[in-house]
Amino acid sequence: GAGVSQSPSNKVTEKGKDVELRCDPISGHTALYWYRQSLGQGLEFLIYFQGNSAPDKSGLPSDRFSAERTGGSVSTLTIQRTQQEDSAVYLCASSPWVLAGGEQYFGPGTRLTVT
Amino acid sequence: GDSVTQMEGPVTLSEEAFLTINCTYTATGYPSLFWYVQYPGEGLQLLLKATKADDKGSNKGFEATYRKETTSFHLEKGSVQVSDSAVYFCALSGSGAGSYQLTFGKGTKLSVIP
Repeated sequence: GAGVSQSPSNKVTEKGKDVELRCDPISGHTALYWYRQSLGQGLEFLIYFQGNSAPDKSGLPSDRFSAERTGGSVSTLTIQRTQQEDSAVYLCASSPWVLAGGEQYFGPGTRLTVT
Repeated sequence: GDSVTQMEGPVTLSEEAFLTINCTYTATGYPSLFWYVQYPGEGLQLLLKATKADDKGSNKGFEATYRKETTSFHLEKGSVQVSDSAVYFCALSGSGAGSYQLTFGKGTKLSVIP
């Protein structure tokens, strides 16, 4: 079946502009995660959604970052007033359940470059 | 908070050499441990996992044993191939109630030469 998909695959934006990154999880997966992969910081957790529960936003680096998940499926990560340090690959992952040891399935990522 | 430390790369080996990538962790309780792999131009994929002490995860000739006494989860393969060239990430997820997000090590880039 289809895996996790993300769009766009690449995004170049000017400093100060807003960007939206999209994630389509695997159908039926209730848990959805966003991570950021950058040279300096490695792979970092950003935010987590599980069903209709309030999201865990503990990893968001600043209030310029926000995310929503509509209808328990598609998610959008929004970065407002982008800065050069936001340049990274943004990864989305989904999981069929939230359980210790549960595998997360990753998308190909969106490479964001802020000029 | 939780953390994962893995050996710095890059690592370059000849084909059929023995591979070890060290990974140690700090976490409360009983985390689950993972190795993820990222092949060139591809996304992260799970290589193997272990969910409790003394469990051994294995896949594609790779093995790792969950050692609680040394808080380690070292990745090993007896004979590497060129196709194993990739970046390897050690990771953990917590055991308490919560979102089970993954905490990753920095990654180790492996290059296997013929």
